[in-house]
Amino acid sequence: QSVLTQSPSASGPPGQRVTISCSGSSSNIGSNTVSWYQQVPGTAPKLLIYRNGQRPAGVPDRFSASKSGTSASLAISGLQSEDGADYYCGAWDDSLNGPVFGGGTKLTVL
Amino acid sequence: QVQLQESGPGLVKPSETLSLRCSVSGGSVRTETYYWGWVRQPPGKGLEWIGDIFHTGRTNYNPSLKSRVIVSIDTPRNVFSLNLRSVTAADTAVYYCARALDDWFFDLWGRGTLVIVSS
Repeated sequence: QSVLTQSPSASGPPGQRVTISCSGSSSNIGSNTVSWYQQVPGTAPKLLIYRNGQRPAGVPDRFSASKSGTSASLAISGLQSEDGADYYCGAWDDSLNGPVFGGGTKLTVL
Repeated sequence: QVQLQESGPGLVKPSETLSLRCSVSGGSVRTETYYWGWVRQPPGKGLEWIGDIFHTGRTNYNPSLKSRVIVSIDTPRNVFSLNLRSVTAADTAVYYCARALDDWFFDLWGRGTLVIVSS
């Protein structure tokens, strides 16, 4: 059972905009920054978003994220076939005194 | 650029100790900026933080694993290591070493190594 809650799946056709949500609590998302990771099956996770909405160099601006209260969301616009992957949210948890992750959302590009 | 590479046995017997090493190339573990950590992912499941270490040797562990885990660092060799004792089948997972910044996101990951616990 993951500390952060994500819907298990999401989907959309190429070109569409998809949103993935991540729900937490006051001890994690509510008081700390959120990060997002993309994991293509069989490969390591890759940092997609950090500090709630910052993109590392090389991540397209089709990927954006926001945080409000104890929830966060990742938006992917102009869906492309290569966006099909698992997406995980993460945040520091003050109760655990360590980082926690969501259970992951499998994105299917139809 | 900085790269991380895990190494260690892919098969460990139940009740024994899982030992992995992460070699850091292209940069130094002796930096004030980063923490060095371990994250695992059981087959078909999500990510779980195991623990991390700073170059000073200060460690932090997941409470659910703390009694069985030791993370250590060898700054001259530029490596850090994971030891997980008394393993069971539930410890079967892909183990990743990763680099983290202090507002806690992992910006760099190794490729991961699958460790199976089985007799």
